[in-house]
Parts: sequence; C-alpha cells; structure tokens
Amino acid sequence: ETGVTQTPRHLVMGMTNKKSLKCEQHLGHNAMYWYKQSAKKPLELMFVYNFKEQTENNSVPSRFSPECPNSSHLFLHLHTLQPEDSALYLCASSQDFGWVQPPYEQYFGPGTRLTVT
Amino acid sequence: AQKVTQAQTEISVVEKEDVTLDCVYETRDTTYYLFWYKQPPSGELVFLIRRNSFDEQNEISGRYSWNFQKSTSSFNFTITASQVVDSAVYFCALRNYGQNFVFGPGTRLSVLP
Repeated sequence: ETGVTQTPRHLVMGMTNKKSLKCEQHLGHNAMYWYKQSAKKPLELMFVYNFKEQTENNSVPSRFSPECPNSSHLFLHLHTLQPEDSALYLCASSQDFGWVQPPYEQYFGPGTRLTVT
Repeated sequence: AQKVTQAQTEISVVEKEDVTLDCVYETRDTTYYLFWYKQPPSGELVFLIRRNSFDEQNEISGRYSWNFQKSTSSFNFTITASQVVDSAVYFCALRNYGQNFVFGPGTRLSVLP
C-alpha cells in the first residue's frame, strides 16, 4: 500500500451505534489530520496530531473521539452520532505540522463516506 | 483573520478549451503559503502546487499554470486545452507558519466531451 489509506470507504450507522474510522499513512510523515467535508461546505478541520500529540481540537463535539497510537495510524471513534454528522471524512498526513519549517503539503486519503440514519 | 475565496462555484467547459479558476486570499502575515488541490470523484484531494509569498514567478507544469499576484492577493490556476479527466473539484488553500490550512469552498469543474 502506498500513500494514505482509509477504511472503511463507506459506513452506514444508526444514531446509537459505535464505530471507528481508520487511517494509515505509508509516507513516513509525522503529522496526521481529520477533516469533515459536508455537501456545499468548505473542508472543516477536526483534529491534528503532530508526533502523536494532539495539537488541535477544532471545537469538535465529544461524540467524535480521535486516537493516534503511532505516527502511522489515526482513528476516529464515533458514538451516538446525529444525522447532520453524515459527511465525507478525510484523513491527511504531512511531513510535520510546520511550526517553524515552511508548511508542508498534505496528502489525503480517499475518505470514508459516513451516513447516519 | 485568514480567508480564501473561490467565487466560481461551478464551471463547465468543452474539451480543449482553456479555463481559469480564481482564488483570492486574505491574510495579515507577510510570509504565507498557497496551495492548490484537486479532488476527483474518487474523493481524495491531490496536491498540485505549493507557492510561498516571496516567490511571485508564475509556474507552468504541463497543461497547468499558476498566476500569483500579491498586489491583488490572487493565486489563479489555468488549465490549457482541458480534458475530461480534469473534471474535479479544485481547492485553493492558504497556510501560515504554525497555523492550520484554510481551504476555499472549491470550484467544481466539468469538462464536457
């Protein structure tokens, strides 16, 4: 596998379910990101991890819970979601977050299309 | 505050036409970076270009070219002789040191055969 992979590609869940999205990057990067992409809305940054440390939680509801066990893997745990949470969830990685170095470009996975019923 | 505007929501062209996608940004920083990404129907955003604020040279890569003008805070993207495979949503993005990416709303380009 190369680049950034995400599983599952499609997920349908009820509001009382618990599920997890998985992201894996094979690029040797140190920063990983979760984005939410809804119809007709700009990309919304949800979480940022840099060297396995969470550096950003962009006012995301607690029903979304990220986990970054190592620099190559990122999870998004979902529970008691609402229908408005239906969206494409994109994972991305970059060399690092870019605090002092010029910001690196991000590499994205294909996304998980989530439908909450 | 940082902001990226892509005023064109959707554009349709016929194959082989040239098309320009507009991007206007706002930032108070003097050092910043601009990006373009392509999102084909498969979903993943594909990195196209990164440009820093001190480099105003235009760039050409095959059929793609970028026009960066600090005076108008614009970073426009032109596809020459468009092809059906160019159909996608294109995002312009802005990023400063230690800050998150700010993406524009995207422009959906449809290239008709």
